[in-house]
Order: sequence, then structure tokens, then C-alpha cells
Amino acid sequence: DIQMTQSPSTLSTSVGDRVTITCRASQSISDWLAWYQQKPGKAPKLLIYKASTLESGVPSRFSGSGSGTEFTLTISSLQPDDFATYFCQQYNSYALTFGGGTKVEIK
Amino acid sequence: EIQLVESGGGLVQPGGSLRLSCEASGFTFSSYSMNWVRQAPGERLEWISYISVRSSTIKYADSVKGRFTISRDNAKNSLFLEMSSLRTEDTAIYYCARDGPMVRGDRWGQGTLVTVSS
Repeated sequence: DIQMTQSPSTLSTSVGDRVTITCRASQSISDWLAWYQQKPGKAPKLLIYKASTLESGVPSRFSGSGSGTEFTLTISSLQPDDFATYFCQQYNSYALTFGGGTKVEIK
Repeated sequence: EIQLVESGGGLVQPGGSLRLSCEASGFTFSSYSMNWVRQAPGERLEWISYISVRSSTIKYADSVKGRFTISRDNAKNSLFLEMSSLRTEDTAIYYCARDGPMVRGDRWGQGTLVTVSS
């Protein structure tokens, strides 16, 4: 199975900050990567798919980049609603696999 | 509004069985392939099973192969997961997730908790 390594695991940050989360795949996955946001007790919400395509309705402050094995999720200016856990997912091949998650918390 | 609502979770003893359901609404269920994904306490998400629109293609993670069975009833807009020979390590929140055109998992349910314990 393809291993997904996500960093950092926790990010203490403030409203207005620029946030960058990285995901690395153990082998090339082209651009078959998605990013999700999850809040406690809620369903995961798709933010980005195909590495850089913004899901409909997701604010433009979220962006994704990368291909092959290195990927990045960027939040250009963190808003209060953005404090949550973020995780990546590769869907290049089964078994689908996920990163360990990044908890974005208030500094 | 697109909704996926899981049910059927609960407390079960090791070696026991449980059937999870996922009821879909707000979209044409029969046009989408579906997945089950779980998250054990303190662990990352783990994909466990996939089913195509007409059930012709089914996939399982090695961790559940031979013990879990995925199925669907398109007439009832429902997805199922039959779990047997349950182990303590199967304790997790179980989510159903819909496949989008370009992504595996564009909509998810809120999950149902399965606890395997004596």
C-alpha cells in the first residue's frame, strides 16, 4: 500500500496567518490526491481534489499544489472557522490511504 | 441536500457480528460507487471497502477481507456492511463515503461507532 506522511501533526496558529500543510507519498501518485477538513463529530469535508482543484463552494483561501510524491495544502489567511483537522488522501490505487492528519489549533 | 446517514453501530463482543447501514438522499444513489472508511481511536482513517454502482466490482482492505461484506440496494438508496468475526481492533467510527467523478469520497456521512469489547 502507498504510505502517506503528513506534517506537521499539530499547528498552533492565529487568525490571519498563512498555513501550509505537507503530504508526502511513498511512491508517485501523479495528482490523485485530495485534502479534507474535519471538525469533531462531523463528517469529513472535501476541500481539494486532483491535488489542486478546489471543490465547489470551498473558499478560495484554500489551495493545493504538487504532483508525484510531494503535495501542499495552503490556507492563505486563516479564518476562525478554519480551526479543524486536515488530512490528505491518495486515490491513485487501492487501498486508498490517508495521511495522519494535521490539527490546526489556536495559538 | 446530499445526505449520507450511517446506522447500526454499537457494542459487540469479540467474535460477534454487526450490520451497518448507510442511507443516501439528495442524489441519485444508483449512479455512484461507494466506500466504507473507518477511524479507530487515535488512528488515521483507514479505507476498508468499495462497491461499484451495480455491485459488479467489490474491493476490500486486507485487514477485513473474508470477515466483512459490502453490499448495496439501489432501490432503497442504501449501502451496507456486514461485519463478522469482529475483533477488538475493529473498534472505530465507520463512515460511508460517495465517490465523485474525479475523487474517491466527495461526500461523507457523520459515522457510526462500533465498539468491540467483552
